[in-house]
Amino acid sequence: ILNVEQSPQSLHVQEGDSTNFTCSFPSSNFYALHWYRWETAKSPEALFVMTLNGDEKKKGRISATLNTKEGYSYLYIKGSQPEDSATYLCAFYEEYGNKLVFGAGTILRVKS
Amino acid sequence: DAGITQSPRHKVTETGTPVTLRCHQTENHRYMYWYRQDPGHGLRLIHYSYGVKDTDKGEVSDGYSVSRSKTEDFLLTLESATSSQTSVYFCAIKEGDRDRETQYFGPGTRLLVL
Repeated sequence: ILNVEQSPQSLHVQEGDSTNFTCSFPSSNFYALHWYRWETAKSPEALFVMTLNGDEKKKGRISATLNTKEGYSYLYIKGSQPEDSATYLCAFYEEYGNKLVFGAGTILRVKS
Repeated sequence: DAGITQSPRHKVTETGTPVTLRCHQTENHRYMYWYRQDPGHGLRLIHYSYGVKDTDKGEVSDGYSVSRSKTEDFLLTLESATSSQTSVYFCAIKEGDRDRETQYFGPGTRLLVL
């Protein structure tokens, strides 16, 4: 069973703070790493799909980096806003696999 | 919105009864997935399908079966519901290819087994 770890489990920050969290995954047989944003009472929504070592993706104030050799990805949020409050999930896609393996998520709460 | 609907959206049932959840998609996607979401576990894959009548087990398949007789419908059945199967169930489809591939999720079904 593949192990995808996310840390921290939860995070409380003030509006305007920048924050980051980590996703660790197996470094062998890597195919892709996905990040999803999941707001309460809604469905998970895709943020990024990353496939190349050194990849860096950005969407507004959110960015992500990927290191496939050491098996980790960071998600950064610059100037957090209350609307950023959500659970952020990463998911690992193994080479030749047909399925994503999700981490348990990082719960982010941004206080105004 | 990838045209995914789930039914029912909420269900309360009793231990030992069979339950079937339906996922319906309108865009002819080949791959469909069933996940369950529980606190501290993120999303865990129950079963998935890669075509009509083609299915495979996921991480937590015990106590669940699936069927896909048409491209647009993927059914999840709890043969004899237990309290441990109280959860929120999400269906998903896969869209795109290689580095543009991603999954889109339905609205979820909240199941309570008493």
